[in-house]
Amino acid sequence: QLQLQESGPGLVKPSETLSVTCTVSGGSIRSSSYYWGWIRQPPGKGLEWIGSIYYSGIAYYSPSLKSRVTISVDTSKNQFALKLTSVIAADTALYYCARHPNSASGRLDYWGRGTLVTVSS
Amino acid sequence: QSALTQPRSVSGSLGQSVTISCTGTSSDVGGFKYVSWYQQHPGKAPQLIIYDVSERPSGVPDRFSGSKSGNTASLTISGLQAEDETDYYCFSYADSYTWVFGGGTKLTVL
Repeated sequence: QLQLQESGPGLVKPSETLSVTCTVSGGSIRSSSYYWGWIRQPPGKGLEWIGSIYYSGIAYYSPSLKSRVTISVDTSKNQFALKLTSVIAADTALYYCARHPNSASGRLDYWGRGTLVTVSS
Repeated sequence: QSALTQPRSVSGSLGQSVTISCTGTSSDVGGFKYVSWYQQHPGKAPQLIIYDVSERPSGVPDRFSGSKSGNTASLTISGLQAEDETDYYCFSYADSYTWVFGGGTKLTVL
């Protein structure tokens, strides 16, 4: 059974860089059939798609976050990672990783449980 | 790229049906057959219940159905049950390998 597990620092200071990692188990991140994505949810608010990456390293980002986001993949560790620069309080959220097909279908069929990142001094 | 528009809340009685709308533009919902829906219980990760407008993953009850007309997609839940009371989100392809969520709808079962 495919499982995704996020890990992160918990607390990041304003203006610094947020880094979270998703570890995939029970399947290979090198599958040509899937993209691996990041979604976030501020406390008490809705979901926001951040971006997605293919195992080859091709990544796509939300236009609203593109200037601050980098998603990378490490196939040797079966992991992919999110970096968000110049964070502010509004970046406080539960960060989820998820899988979707290598197509326009946004079928997010497997999700991690999420990792809460708080931006505060 | 703006969030898709969903009603903040809807309600329906036990056993009845309810429909949740998701309105976008011709650049997202209206332009593609790639709308999915997610159910999210408190403290849990979202769960896929509909994909590609009207397809249901295995294990999802057929009480859940999806459709689309123009720039608006809809999720219909028939035979409402108490456990359906939670939050629902739509998610649409928005061209150039980008996607966008709706703002979410809280369903109350009366």
